[in-house]
Amino acid sequence: EAGVAQSPRYKIIEKRQSVAFWCNPISGHATLYWYQQILGQGPKLLIQFQNNGVVDDSQLPKDRFSAERLKGVDSTLKIQPAKLEDSAVYLCASSLDLAGGGQETQYFGPGTRLLVL
Amino acid sequence: AQSVTQLGSHVSVSEGALVLLRCNYSSSVPPYLFWYVQYPNQGLQLLLKYTSAATLVKGINGFEAEFKKSETSFHLTKPSAHMSDAAEYFCAVSDHSSYKLIFGSGTRLLVRP
Repeated sequence: EAGVAQSPRYKIIEKRQSVAFWCNPISGHATLYWYQQILGQGPKLLIQFQNNGVVDDSQLPKDRFSAERLKGVDSTLKIQPAKLEDSAVYLCASSLDLAGGGQETQYFGPGTRLLVL
Repeated sequence: AQSVTQLGSHVSVSEGALVLLRCNYSSSVPPYLFWYVQYPNQGLQLLLKYTSAATLVKGINGFEAEFKKSETSFHLTKPSAHMSDAAEYFCAVSDHSSYKLIFGSGTRLLVRP
């Protein structure tokens, strides 16, 4: 079974530029998550989708970050414009659905490492 | 609000020694708890999870964790460390409403030959 795919793996941009990350979840997984992992910290949820609807985006900086999940499969996360503090690893994860009530395993992709100069 | 505290940002053990990584949680209701491992430049991989069945949970690679409600702890152990266990370990609790994972700050395990 293929895992969660993410691209690109690495990205270097200058501040105020824009950047986009792509995620393809495990086939059949209804729930998709984007996490931000700053160096030395645990991952922090940015946004969570159930199919193509948003479940939780309370910690997404909506003035610069946006995300979509068209057709309830692939997802893109965009930052525009980027700031120095956005340097982090962006992890995508997916799980079967929310019916398990929080005990569903989340499967993580390898992440995209972003450096903002 | 739920939270997770991992004591010790770095733990160093000798190969063959006991591994003990500490995790304490804060939750007003019975939690779902997880341990994930992250190898360099890779995503997170599930080691084990507690979902209110047995309090002693066995995971992959010889790891296990015990849920202790009275101590609000979910410490991760392995009887004998192997060089390949060197990685970063994250404890997480599942949020009650959205089911998102709330992670601790992680513990980096170093294994000395």
